[in-house]
Amino acid sequence: SYELTQPPSVSVSPGQTASITCSGHKLGDKYASWYQQRPGQSPVVVIYQDTKRPSGIPERFSGSNSGFTATLTISGTQAMDEATYFCQAWDNSHVVFGGGTKLTVL
Amino acid sequence: QLQLQESGPGLVKPSETLSLNCSVSGGSISSSAYYWGWVRQPPGKGLEWIGSVSYSGTPYYNPSLKSRVTISVDTSKNQFSLRLSSVTAADTAVYYCAREKLQGGNFDYWGQGTLVTVSS
Repeated sequence: SYELTQPPSVSVSPGQTASITCSGHKLGDKYASWYQQRPGQSPVVVIYQDTKRPSGIPERFSGSNSGFTATLTISGTQAMDEATYFCQAWDNSHVVFGGGTKLTVL
Repeated sequence: QLQLQESGPGLVKPSETLSLNCSVSGGSISSSAYYWGWVRQPPGKGLEWIGSVSYSGTPYYNPSLKSRVTISVDTSKNQFSLRLSSVTAADTAVYYCAREKLQGGNFDYWGQGTLVTVSS
């Protein structure tokens, strides 16, 4: 079965750039999405179709996807961005989530 | 604004069947542009896709759960349902219903989630 691998945790200082990776076999051939989940809340999509930002998501969130890796980049990270981020792809009629990355802003 | 709301028992006994409904408001479930899916999250863990269903009733299941899962849709009530049989403590989780875009395969609207505990 298809798997997506994320680092368990990433730390970033306020105002700096955070990058969260998601790896999977030929992931660049599929669409990748990213979700932000704060404690006790439902996930919210922040990036879909590799690079698209839904309305209401700040411009500091961006995405890329090529080869075996998709990357979520948060520029000028703010304290409110502290959350767990999940990548997701669609493979052979199945939805797959990465294990999640806890982003700490300190 | 589309809204999804899960409903069902919060406590299920081991070996029994978990049943949840998801009511959709603010939009029609009868669109070929979307699937309607279930995702769960055990306490303190990550997201796991359970399965999705089209408005016409065609289901797609996570292979690891396929033998125990049934997802159905009721367009007359604008809702869809999840049944998970033979549950164990490992099925204890927050269960979310969500709308899945056919183009791109991402979930753009989510319910608030409902905690289901499997315990005797």
